[in-house]
Amino acid sequence: NAGVTQTPKFQVLKTGQSMTLQCAQDMNHNSMYWYRQDPGMGLRLIYYSASEGTTDKGEVPNGYNVSRLNKREFSLRLESAAPSQTSVYFCASSEGDGAYNEQFFGPGTRLTVL
Amino acid sequence: RKEVEQDPGPFNVPEGATVAFNCTYSNSASQSFFWYRQDCRKEPKLLMSVYSSGNEDGRFTAQLNRASQYISLLIRDSKLSDSATYLCVVNPHSGYALNFGKGTSLLVTP
Repeated sequence: NAGVTQTPKFQVLKTGQSMTLQCAQDMNHNSMYWYRQDPGMGLRLIYYSASEGTTDKGEVPNGYNVSRLNKREFSLRLESAAPSQTSVYFCASSEGDGAYNEQFFGPGTRLTVL
Repeated sequence: RKEVEQDPGPFNVPEGATVAFNCTYSNSASQSFFWYRQDCRKEPKLLMSVYSSGNEDGRFTAQLNRASQYISLLIRDSKLSDSATYLCVVNPHSGYALNFGKGTSLLVTP
């Protein structure tokens, strides 16, 4: 039981490049989330998926797109990376409503945009 | 005003000490409250939920004061392994969003 896995662990991009961050969970959770964590800012929600087939914007969705591929997988895409997107990205999942249930986090992806 | 505010610390305490962290939140309609722990360069992990009646888990005690919109975490008999950043987390309303505080850094020294 791996929990929540994320790939890649590290990535360096040039401004304007695109990439997809992958996330998978093996806990049969309904809800999945993408957060970013910046120094001095705390974690901020980018997008979430309450259940398979649905996605919703969080606090900071601009510049990102997401896909809930199936119940296990939730990907985050940067279409045209900008230096402001340099951050640590965490994927999380929860069994039900993440506001009331424990959220389990993946190990994170450290992204640098030059 | 930030939705969730914490003293960033760092709190440097000797082993065996008792330390308390505080957190305030701005939305009086907030529904649920948590403390998460984050080790350096690792992912956050749930430490404990915070209930209106207060709750205790071993050396850790969490309390909620809805009237003052205040949450606290007390750690007794601090261990070296308690060194981490403690995140105060609040759900501002029903739904899936959580608001994370910036965290309070704790360093327990021998």
